[in-house]
Amino acid sequence: GQQLNQSPQSMFIQEGEDVSMNCTSSSIFNTWLWYKQDPGEGPVLLIALYKAGELTSNGRLTAQFGITRKDSFLNISASIPSDVGIYFCAGLLNNAGNMLTFGGGTRLMVKP
Amino acid sequence: ETGVTQSPTHLIKTRGQQVTLRCSSQSGHNTVSWYQQALGQGPQFIFQYYREEENGRGNFPPRFSGLQFPNYSSELNVNALELDDSALYLCASSLGGPGANVLTFGAGSRLTVL
Repeated sequence: GQQLNQSPQSMFIQEGEDVSMNCTSSSIFNTWLWYKQDPGEGPVLLIALYKAGELTSNGRLTAQFGITRKDSFLNISASIPSDVGIYFCAGLLNNAGNMLTFGGGTRLMVKP
Repeated sequence: ETGVTQSPTHLIKTRGQQVTLRCSSQSGHNTVSWYQQALGQGPQFIFQYYREEENGRGNFPPRFSGLQFPNYSSELNVNALELDDSALYLCASSLGGPGANVLTFGAGSRLTVL
């Protein structure tokens, strides 16, 4: 089963609002990744974080690798309708090949 | 450059049957991973193939098996299908062998088991 707890499970916001979602784990990860999945598509990588405490931005998206290495958050500023989708966090251990452990996802809905 | 392509996109099977899903990795990628995504959940790692050998396996029974071919394409085989095998099966490719974490996912094969 899932080892990553992702919250909230869903969000329904107004266009232009900022969004925050987070992921916590009972295990330490060496890498945290954030993906977005649109209907009928596979997950697409948004941001990758490689060091504890790292803060990385990609356009309106900002993500941080928690200092304990057991958590991460993703912020989206000034949301737009195309931000709609399911956002997944994923953790990776360096000694576990490419075995990503995914959270349960946050479903984001944006009202124009 | 072409991305990861999977086939078929949708299929329906009955309990006890066998299924083969196919994946062509992104050009130049030599590592393929398979994930199972049940409805409303995040993907779960099944296994990874590198240099035509299984290199890492998640918590899935032996009736889930795979192959990687010299051109880096891959197959996922599931025997004795069960109702709970109904899911979206995602293939992801990457470059650089185990440990490389930039995965490119395909759109998936949606399997329904009746």
